[in-house]
Amino acid sequence: EVQVVESGGGLGEPGGSLRVSCAGAGFIVRNDWVNWVRQAPGKGLEWVGRIKSDRDGGAIEYAPPVKGRFTISRDSANMVSLQMNNLKTEDTGVYYCTVHTTFLQFAIDLWGQGTLVTVST
Amino acid sequence: EIVLTQSPAILSLSPGETATLSCRASQTVTRTYLAWYQQKPGQAPRLLIYGISRRASGVPDRFSGWGSGTDFALTISRLEPEDIAIYYCQQYQQYSESPYTFGQGTKLEIK
Repeated sequence: EVQVVESGGGLGEPGGSLRVSCAGAGFIVRNDWVNWVRQAPGKGLEWVGRIKSDRDGGAIEYAPPVKGRFTISRDSANMVSLQMNNLKTEDTGVYYCTVHTTFLQFAIDLWGQGTLVTVST
Repeated sequence: EIVLTQSPAILSLSPGETATLSCRASQTVTRTYLAWYQQKPGQAPRLLIYGISRRASGVPDRFSGWGSGTDFALTISRLEPEDIAIYYCQQYQQYSESPYTFGQGTKLEIK
């Protein structure tokens, strides 16, 4: 079964750091575009950033609210990480690792189960 | 950045009825890069519709998407209790600070 599994996250303090990782199962993550999407408690979905596949150049982009604070990287052929620095309380939420496994006109067909990040004193 | 506005915020219908959920974009959506997702409580979103009207793998034909330009809709016919969820639309715009944007969601309740 094709799936992605997130790990990491947890509780962090304002100004602190946390890391969330995403591992692929049943496919090779480096061959696909990986997006991070977050959801604040009781709120909607917000795109955080993405890394393109190696085949497409591996470009990385970030949403304005996290640019300069968050870093996406490929740790291995099958793992992508989201390093979150200078955390703010508004970064609290569930972080989903998502993958385009098939080109479906930029719709996201594979979602992880999500990992909770809480930023609080 | 394209802003997506969904309506209504909450839709309450009875089993067997047809639900129509609206998604309006602040500017023309690029090509057919418009998708719909279903999110049940405590779960990750699930892709329902891509390319405005194409059903994702395993999605029942009770779900259909349509529209063009700035106005899009998701129709769910013959409502079932399992359809209780929040539905989100999403668009993709290549050269944008935030290439993926989502609507704020429509919560579907079954009476």
